[in-house]
Amino acid sequence: SQQGEEDPQALSIQEGENATMNCSYKTSINNLQWYRQNSGRGLVHLILIRSNEREKHSGRLRVTLDTSKKSSSLLITASRAADTASYFCATGTQGGSEKLVFGKGTKLTVNP
Amino acid sequence: DVKVTQSSRYLVKRTGEKVFLECVQDMDHENMFWYRQDPGLGLRLIYFSYDVKMKEKGDIPEGYSVSREKKERFSLILESASTNQTSMYLCASSSWRATGELFFGEGSRLTVL
Repeated sequence: SQQGEEDPQALSIQEGENATMNCSYKTSINNLQWYRQNSGRGLVHLILIRSNEREKHSGRLRVTLDTSKKSSSLLITASRAADTASYFCATGTQGGSEKLVFGKGTKLTVNP
Repeated sequence: DVKVTQSSRYLVKRTGEKVFLECVQDMDHENMFWYRQDPGLGLRLIYFSYDVKMKEKGDIPEGYSVSREKKERFSLILESASTNQTSMYLCASSSWRATGELFFGEGSRLTVL
């Protein structure tokens, strides 16, 4: 039951540029989360946005949520080589004891 | 910091062997999860547990079982490993008191020959 679908599947940019990744989902949600995964490692939580929020910031990250379009975007500003990783969106329907459903991820490469 | 520890980073097993993947978390989280991750398929939920001795099937439970005898430990068991279970296995935990954020272990890469 794949819920989120990220777009693009892969993205390659130069250091200093902004990176934008999109996520679309199919059903109503309580929250949407973004995670990062360095190659061969576990996932790390980046940011959560609730269904009643439209935009959220955390450092160089900006997340938007459009529930009418069932879509979200993750913007990484002034990217660095260390941002190279895969990024996943995950949707939750409950909050609290969540059973998150993950998308397939966007592989971001930031070239120095 | 929350720490989720998976006992083995890399395992190589033979077809038909019984395989145990162990996961321990140190933050008194109620919820624990096992996902598998495959190229092109993303993360898929195998089993999860909301409390000790409780377990619920995820999206792909076939060929797997789990055990949660203690709150901090959640084990994934492959009763008879098969080559199509070669994958990266990720354990995660969360607290029902929080927003639903998952904390992941580093993963266990299992190869079944």
